Amino acid sequence: GQQLNQSPQSMFIQEGEDVSMNCTSSSIFNTWLWYKQDPGEGPVLLIALYKAGELTSNGRLTAQFGITRKDSFLNISASIPSDVGIYFCAGQYAGGTSYGKLTFGQGTILTVHP
Amino acid sequence: DTAVSQTPKYLVTQMGNDKSIKCEQNLGHDTMYWYKQDSKKFLKIMFSYNNKELIINETVPNRFSPKSPDKAHLNLHINSLELGDSAVYFCASSQEDREDEQFFGPGTRLTVL
Repeated sequence: GQQLNQSPQSMFIQEGEDVSMNCTSSSIFNTWLWYKQDPGEGPVLLIALYKAGELTSNGRLTAQFGITRKDSFLNISASIPSDVGIYFCAGQYAGGTSYGKLTFGQGTILTVHP
Repeated sequence: DTAVSQTPKYLVTQMGNDKSIKCEQNLGHDTMYWYKQDSKKFLKIMFSYNNKELIINETVPNRFSPKSPDKAHLNLHINSLELGDSAVYFCASSQEDREDEQFFGPGTRLTVL
């Protein structure tokens, strides 16, 4: 089945620094998504990407859908303490038996030191 | 006004028992899902239902049986619990034409002793 490799596994940064994480797949996806999970909570959707090459921002977050459709990255600018959490990439094929089936990366644990 | 809610939040039980986790969404979504998150935080889909019909059934032991009494509810019943079932179980929902944008519940931490 499809597998997503997300890196880095963890990051320790100072408040104010920029952060970058990425996800690669052995297969092509039609949709790339980035979720954030706070401790004790469920994942929350941050950004959804639907077209190869698409670059989308949500506040301090920017994500891109790779041209090959096999990768995506997420950047966080000027990090703040509340950015701590686990960031997951997820990919999906459209339609057929893959309806609604998201494949998740292993997650990037982000720690921000004040 | 919680969008996707799950009960209970924590569940501690003995091996061999049968237990259920309930999920409700008030978003008017047509599709609901169950995910399992293991101790390494890896998230994997287990089931999805669209308008009370089973759509996705991943390779999950048949001890796990989802039940959808209506499109706002998707419950998960687990028979003969095993140690390896210990995990956090998340319910999620999505609109029928936006199945990639899934809204997750707060999770149920199941511990099997």
